[in-house]
Amino acid sequence: SAVISQKPSRDICQRGTSLTIQCQVDSQVTMMFWYRQQPGQSLTLIATANQGSEATYESGFVIDKFPISRPNLTFSTLTVSNMSPEDSSIYLCSAAAGGNTEAFFGQGTRLTVV
Amino acid sequence: GQQLNQSPQSMFIQEGEDVSMNCTSSSIFNTWLWYKQDPGEGPVLLIALYKAGELTSNGRLTAQFGITRKDSFLNISASIPSDVGIYFCAGQLGVIKAAGNKLTFGGGTRVLVKP
Repeated sequence: SAVISQKPSRDICQRGTSLTIQCQVDSQVTMMFWYRQQPGQSLTLIATANQGSEATYESGFVIDKFPISRPNLTFSTLTVSNMSPEDSSIYLCSAAAGGNTEAFFGQGTRLTVV
Repeated sequence: GQQLNQSPQSMFIQEGEDVSMNCTSSSIFNTWLWYKQDPGEGPVLLIALYKAGELTSNGRLTAQFGITRKDSFLNISASIPSDVGIYFCAGQLGVIKAAGNKLTFGGGTRVLVKP
């Protein structure tokens, strides 16, 4: 399984600011994803990070709020823009080799917006 | 969109007891996965199931992929204190769709120790 590292592991941010979360995988992967886990809730997919092209967003998530980059096969970033307290969540990066293979997760970034 | 109903939402265990949880879906999946999440960590994969009817074990864990492809269960035998955590089922469409690895998660089962 791939080892996925996220930075920062946690942060407390002021409302109206933006935070960029980095995700580094220790091997090349075909697929990378970003999930949100609101307090006490399950995981919800934000978007699929596509290498070399725009991310594919799920219903309810938009590029202006959650811009995503994926410059190569091992790295991706998620930015949470113009934050409000409702954005306080754990944000998780996931990676998979593609096809019918399992997806693995980073340890998550715990974001608190005050 | 697709929904996964996971039950129970929470349960208390006593060491040595067996534990069961299940997930049902309104639509089919081609892969079912079970993850465990400890506090402050990301989900860790426990078992992956690829074929309808498949029964797979991983140590004290046993999971089955329902024959209709719309459900799965996870059993933990002879529970121990480190089994405490949140367990999530997840469905994956797999090779059928372009982004086959994206997951739909159940609501989670929180396993706690009986006081």
